[in-house]
Amino acid sequence: NAGVTQTPKFQVLKTGQSMTLQCAQDMNHEYMSWYRQDPGMGLRLIHYSVGAGITDQGEVPNGYNVSRSTTEDFPLRLLSAAPSQTSVYFCASSYSGPREAFFGQGTRLTVV
Amino acid sequence: GQQLNQSPQSMFIQEGEDVSMNCTSSSIFNTWLWYKQEPGEGPVLLIALYKAGELTSNGRLTAQFGITRKDSFLNISASIPSDVGIYFCAGQPSNTGKLIFGQGTTLQVKP
Repeated sequence: NAGVTQTPKFQVLKTGQSMTLQCAQDMNHEYMSWYRQDPGMGLRLIHYSVGAGITDQGEVPNGYNVSRSTTEDFPLRLLSAAPSQTSVYFCASSYSGPREAFFGQGTRLTVV
Repeated sequence: GQQLNQSPQSMFIQEGEDVSMNCTSSSIFNTWLWYKQEPGEGPVLLIALYKAGELTSNGRLTAQFGITRKDSFLNISASIPSDVGIYFCAGQPSNTGKLIFGQGTTLQVKP
Protein backbone atom coordinates (compact mmCIF):
# COMPACT_ATOMS: atom_id res chain seq x y z
CA ASN A 1 0.00 0.00 0.00
CA ALA A 2 1.90 3.07 -1.29
CA GLY A 3 -0.42 5.77 0.15
CA VAL A 4 0.40 9.20 -1.32
CA THR A 5 3.33 9.24 -3.74
CA GLN A 6 5.01 12.44 -4.85
CA THR A 7 7.57 12.76 -7.63
CA PRO A 8 10.20 14.05 -7.95
CA LYS A 9 11.64 14.31 -4.43
CA PHE A 10 14.06 17.08 -5.40
CA GLN A 11 14.11 19.52 -8.31
CA VAL A 12 16.12 22.56 -9.32
CA LEU A 13 14.60 24.93 -11.88
CA LYS A 14 15.77 28.07 -13.57
CA THR A 15 13.60 31.16 -13.35
CA GLY A 16 10.96 31.07 -16.07
CA GLN A 17 10.96 27.31 -16.55
CA SER A 18 7.78 25.32 -16.15
CA MET A 19 7.32 21.93 -14.57
CA THR A 20 4.74 19.56 -13.13
CA LEU A 21 4.87 18.05 -9.65
CA GLN A 22 3.18 14.68 -9.63
CA CYS A 23 0.94 13.31 -6.89
CA ALA A 24 -0.80 9.95 -6.91
CA GLN A 25 -2.77 8.11 -4.24
CA ASP A 26 -4.00 4.53 -4.20
CA MET A 27 -6.56 4.81 -1.39
CA ASN A 28 -9.54 5.84 -3.55
CA HIS A 29 -9.67 9.17 -1.72
CA GLU A 30 -11.98 11.83 -3.11
CA TYR A 31 -10.28 14.86 -1.57
CA MET A 32 -6.76 15.91 -2.58
CA SER A 33 -4.77 19.04 -1.91
CA TRP A 34 -1.43 20.76 -2.41
CA TYR A 35 0.48 22.74 0.23
CA ARG A 36 3.72 24.58 0.30
CA GLN A 37 5.85 24.74 3.43
CA ASP A 38 8.20 27.61 4.13
CA PRO A 39 10.18 28.16 7.35
CA GLY A 40 8.08 29.69 10.12
CA MET A 41 4.91 29.77 7.99
CA GLY A 42 3.46 26.34 8.46
CA LEU A 43 1.73 24.73 5.49
CA ARG A 44 -0.20 27.00 3.16
CA LEU A 45 -2.93 25.63 0.91
CA ILE A 46 -2.34 26.15 -2.82
CA HIS A 47 -5.20 24.26 -4.49
CA TYR A 48 -7.57 21.48 -3.55
CA SER A 49 -9.99 19.10 -5.23
CA VAL A 50 -13.12 17.47 -3.80
CA GLY A 51 -13.29 14.92 -6.60
CA ALA A 52 -12.39 14.18 -10.21
CA GLY A 53 -13.11 17.17 -12.43
CA ILE A 54 -13.49 19.63 -9.53
CA THR A 55 -10.74 21.93 -8.27
CA ASP A 56 -10.66 25.13 -6.23
CA GLN A 57 -8.16 27.70 -5.04
CA GLY A 58 -6.58 27.72 -1.63
CA GLU A 59 -4.73 30.50 0.17
CA VAL A 60 -1.79 30.96 -2.23
CA PRO A 61 -2.86 29.83 -5.74
CA ASN A 62 -1.04 32.41 -7.88
CA GLY A 63 1.55 30.91 -10.23
CA TYR A 64 0.14 27.39 -9.94
CA ASN A 65 -2.37 25.37 -11.94
CA VAL A 66 -4.02 22.06 -11.15
CA SER A 67 -6.35 19.60 -12.81
CA ARG A 68 -8.03 16.41 -11.61
CA SER A 69 -8.86 14.10 -14.48
CA THR A 70 -8.81 10.94 -12.36
CA THR A 71 -9.47 10.13 -8.71
CA GLU A 72 -5.89 8.91 -8.26
CA ASP A 73 -3.85 11.81 -9.67
CA PHE A 74 -3.60 15.50 -8.81
CA PRO A 75 -0.64 17.17 -10.58
CA LEU A 76 0.54 20.68 -9.71
CA ARG A 77 1.90 22.81 -12.54
CA LEU A 78 4.26 25.73 -12.15
CA LEU A 79 3.69 27.91 -15.18
CA SER A 80 6.79 30.11 -15.02
CA ALA A 81 8.96 29.37 -12.01
CA ALA A 82 10.10 32.24 -9.79
CA PRO A 83 12.58 32.24 -6.88
CA SER A 84 9.64 32.95 -4.53
CA GLN A 85 8.35 29.48 -5.36
CA THR A 86 11.37 27.85 -3.76
CA SER A 87 9.74 25.69 -1.11
CA VAL A 88 8.84 22.20 -0.02
CA TYR A 89 5.59 21.05 -1.63
CA PHE A 90 3.30 18.49 -0.03
CA CYS A 91 0.38 16.65 -1.54
CA ALA A 92 -2.31 15.23 0.73
CA SER A 93 -5.43 13.14 0.32
CA SER A 94 -8.39 12.17 2.46
CA TYR A 95 -11.41 9.93 2.02
CA SER A 96 -14.03 12.65 2.08
CA GLY A 97 -13.52 16.36 2.59
CA PRO A 98 -10.70 18.18 4.41
CA ARG A 99 -10.60 15.75 7.29
CA GLU A 100 -8.00 13.13 8.19
CA ALA A 101 -5.50 13.93 5.45
CA PHE A 102 -2.59 11.64 4.59
CA PHE A 103 0.52 13.38 3.31
CA GLY A 104 3.18 12.44 0.80
CA GLN A 105 6.87 12.80 1.60
CA GLY A 106 7.20 16.12 -0.21
CA THR A 107 9.04 17.64 -3.16
CA ARG A 108 11.85 20.04 -2.39
CA LEU A 109 11.94 22.65 -5.16
CA THR A 110 14.66 25.24 -5.67
CA VAL A 111 14.26 27.99 -8.26
CA VAL A 112 17.47 29.79 -9.19
CA GLY B 1 -8.40 34.88 4.68
CA GLN B 2 -8.77 32.68 7.70
CA GLN B 3 -5.77 32.37 9.95
CA LEU B 4 -4.74 30.01 12.67
CA ASN B 5 -2.54 31.32 15.46
CA GLN B 6 -0.54 28.54 17.07
CA SER B 7 1.50 28.99 20.23
CA PRO B 8 4.09 28.67 21.46
CA GLN B 9 6.36 28.79 18.42
CA SER B 10 8.94 26.59 20.11
CA MET B 11 9.51 24.72 23.35
CA PHE B 12 12.63 23.23 24.89
CA ILE B 13 11.75 20.94 27.77
CA GLN B 14 13.23 18.26 29.99
CA GLU B 15 12.30 14.62 29.45
CA GLY B 16 9.36 13.69 31.66
CA GLU B 17 7.75 17.12 31.61
CA ASP B 18 4.25 17.75 30.30
CA VAL B 19 3.71 19.94 27.25
CA SER B 20 0.78 22.08 26.19
CA MET B 21 0.20 23.95 22.95
CA ASN B 22 -2.84 25.62 21.45
CA CYS B 23 -4.41 27.09 18.36
CA THR B 24 -6.91 29.88 18.00
CA SER B 25 -8.83 31.19 15.03
CA SER B 26 -10.88 34.27 14.26
CA SER B 27 -13.70 32.18 12.78
CA ILE B 28 -15.63 29.04 13.61
CA PHE B 29 -14.13 25.70 12.60
CA ASN B 30 -15.91 22.39 11.88
CA THR B 31 -12.86 20.21 12.38
CA TRP B 32 -9.62 20.39 14.33
CA LEU B 33 -6.68 18.11 13.61
CA TRP B 34 -3.26 17.77 15.17
CA TYR B 35 -0.23 16.61 13.18
CA LYS B 36 3.42 15.87 13.90
CA GLN B 37 6.20 16.35 11.37
CA GLU B 38 9.69 14.91 11.62
CA PRO B 39 12.63 16.10 9.50
CA GLY B 40 12.38 15.19 5.83
CA GLU B 41 8.90 13.70 6.21
CA GLY B 42 5.33 14.78 5.61
CA PRO B 43 3.03 15.54 8.55
CA VAL B 44 1.43 12.55 10.25
CA LEU B 45 -2.01 12.75 11.83
CA LEU B 46 -2.07 12.40 15.63
CA ILE B 47 -5.62 13.27 16.66
CA ALA B 48 -8.82 14.33 14.86
CA LEU B 49 -11.66 16.26 16.56
CA TYR B 50 -15.11 16.80 15.05
CA LYS B 51 -17.40 18.12 17.80
CA ALA B 52 -17.26 21.18 20.04
CA GLY B 53 -16.14 20.14 23.50
CA GLU B 54 -14.75 16.82 22.29
CA LEU B 55 -11.77 15.52 24.26
CA THR B 56 -9.74 12.75 22.61
CA SER B 57 -6.62 10.87 23.67
CA ASN B 58 -4.01 8.95 21.74
CA GLY B 59 -1.59 7.39 24.20
CA ARG B 60 0.16 10.23 26.04
CA LEU B 61 -1.47 12.82 23.77
CA THR B 62 -4.75 14.53 24.57
CA ALA B 63 -6.51 17.14 22.45
CA GLN B 64 -9.71 19.13 22.85
CA PHE B 65 -12.05 20.92 20.46
CA GLY B 66 -12.92 24.22 22.13
CA ILE B 67 -16.52 24.96 23.09
CA THR B 68 -16.52 28.19 21.05
CA ARG B 69 -15.27 26.19 18.01
CA LYS B 70 -12.52 28.78 17.63
CA ASP B 71 -9.73 27.00 19.47
CA SER B 72 -8.09 23.69 20.26
CA PHE B 73 -5.26 22.50 22.46
CA LEU B 74 -2.88 19.56 22.52
CA ASN B 75 -1.26 18.16 25.65
CA ILE B 76 1.62 15.70 25.76
CA SER B 77 2.22 14.05 29.09
CA ALA B 78 5.56 12.72 30.36
CA SER B 79 7.53 13.73 27.27
CA ILE B 80 10.21 11.43 25.85
CA PRO B 81 13.02 12.17 23.36
CA SER B 82 11.08 10.72 20.42
CA ASP B 83 8.43 13.42 20.90
CA VAL B 84 10.84 15.82 19.20
CA GLY B 85 9.39 17.37 16.05
CA ILE B 86 7.11 20.08 14.75
CA TYR B 87 3.47 19.91 15.84
CA PHE B 88 0.82 21.52 13.67
CA CYS B 89 -2.79 22.26 14.30
CA ALA B 90 -5.10 22.26 11.30
CA GLY B 91 -8.76 23.03 10.88
CA GLN B 92 -11.62 23.29 8.45
CA PRO B 93 -13.27 26.72 8.60
CA SER B 94 -17.04 26.52 8.60
CA ASN B 95 -18.61 26.75 5.14
CA THR B 96 -15.37 26.04 3.30
CA GLY B 97 -13.80 22.97 1.77
CA LYS B 98 -10.34 23.97 2.93
CA LEU B 99 -8.01 22.56 5.55
CA ILE B 100 -5.65 25.24 6.82
CA PHE B 101 -2.66 24.92 9.13
CA GLY B 102 -1.12 26.81 11.99
CA GLN B 103 2.51 27.93 11.90
CA GLY B 104 3.69 24.99 13.99
CA THR B 105 5.26 24.43 17.42
CA THR B 106 8.81 23.08 17.41
CA LEU B 107 9.37 20.76 20.37
CA GLN B 108 12.79 19.78 21.65
CA VAL B 109 13.21 17.34 24.53
CA LYS B 110 16.38 17.16 26.57
CA PRO B 111 17.11 13.65 27.88
